[in-house]
Amino acid sequence: QLQLQESGPGLVKPSETLSLTCSVSGGSISSSTYYWGWIRQPPGKGLEWIGTIYYSGSTYDNPSLKSRVTISVDTSKNQFSLKLSSVTAADTAVYYCARGYILGGYFSYWGQGTLVTVSS
Amino acid sequence: EIVLTQSPGTLSLSPGERATLSCRASQSVSSTYLAWYQQKPGQAPRLLIYGASSRAIGIPDRFSGSGSATDFTLTISRLEPEDFAVYYCQQYGGSPTWTFGQGTKVEIK
Repeated sequence: QLQLQESGPGLVKPSETLSLTCSVSGGSISSSTYYWGWIRQPPGKGLEWIGTIYYSGSTYDNPSLKSRVTISVDTSKNQFSLKLSSVTAADTAVYYCARGYILGGYFSYWGQGTLVTVSS
Repeated sequence: EIVLTQSPGTLSLSPGERATLSCRASQSVSSTYLAWYQQKPGQAPRLLIYGASSRAIGIPDRFSGSGSATDFTLTISRLEPEDFAVYYCQQYGGSPTWTFGQGTKVEIK
């Protein structure tokens, strides 16, 4: 059974870079059938797609985040990571990592999520 | 950029009743790339429907999806106590990008 687990600091200061890692178990992150994504949810609000990385290494991110997003993969550790630069209080959210199916455009497996608070 | 608008914002129903949730796209969406998720408090979203009408593994048949182009519907034929939750539609489109609707809360009346 595939499992995803987010990890990283729960508190980040304004203007700094938020860094999270998603560890994948029960499946290979190198599979060409899937892509890997980050989605966030501010407290009490809806879901917002942050970005996605394909097995080829191609990455795509939400234009609304104005190029602050970097997503990378470490195949040796079966992990992928998110960096979000120049954070503000508006970036406070639960951050989810998820796996999607290339031919379907949906996210079928999700991590439990991790709350990141941006505050000095 | 495609915007997904879900209605109603909140649906107040009793167990056993039928729930009909709407997801309207600002421009035509391929049915292949329209999905629905359920989210309960403190939990990650769970995939319910993909390809507009296909149920994900383990999803009961009281959940069904339909629609095409700009209008999609999630129907729960008879609400069970565990179905009271927030539901999101999501589309995958050009660039590529992934977009979620703002959600519909199904609450106990």
